[in-house]
Amino acid sequence: DGGITQSPKYLFRKEGQNVTLSCEQNLNHDAMYWYRQDPGQGLRLIYYSQIVNDFQKGDIAEGYSVSREKKESFPLTVTSAQKNPTAFYLCASIGTSGASGEQFFGPGTRLTVL
Amino acid sequence: AQSVTQPDIHITVSEGASLELRCNYSYGATPYLFWYVQSPGQGLQLLLKYFSGDTLVQGIKGFEAEFKRSQSSFNLRKPSVHWSDAAEYFCAVGDGGGFKTIFGAGTRLFVKA
Repeated sequence: DGGITQSPKYLFRKEGQNVTLSCEQNLNHDAMYWYRQDPGQGLRLIYYSQIVNDFQKGDIAEGYSVSREKKESFPLTVTSAQKNPTAFYLCASIGTSGASGEQFFGPGTRLTVL
Repeated sequence: AQSVTQPDIHITVSEGASLELRCNYSYGATPYLFWYVQSPGQGLQLLLKYFSGDTLVQGIKGFEAEFKRSQSSFNLRKPSVHWSDAAEYFCAVGDGGGFKTIFGAGTRLFVKA
């Protein structure tokens, strides 16, 4: 079955450490996204990529970095510069054929800073 | 700038009662509008979407939404709520190609027996 996988489901980090969240899709979608979700704030866009080897900052990119070396993969690194990283992180993708705009989401990674 | 407002942070309805979740948007052109549902600790799933045409849109799980341009609204409705509908619901607006999507803050639905 096609879809988006995120790993790990739960991640614990000590202050000062960088961590990388994995996002893989087998939907053959060009565009991929990373969102951060905090209670009562909906989804906020961190980074997005419309094509391999290209990505753009979203609304809250500070303290995060991404790469897009393969169409299927869009990992997110939460760096030690992110002051409040504890949150639920969601990866999503959009297929460009037909430009339907529907986003397909992964199951999410919950990051907790100890 | 695009924006989406969901005025209700949470709503409680009795099982079997009707449901309406409100959504207001701000967008200069004809919007692409979406409703997503999220169960606790899970990703989001698309319920329905509106691009053009009939302003009453049918979705999955018995949900429907009506686009009202004059009111800049896209309210979600269900005639009879089931306990399994308890979740968080997000309204969203996308630009032409949907590459940038703005999400509302969400409305959490509680269903009481």
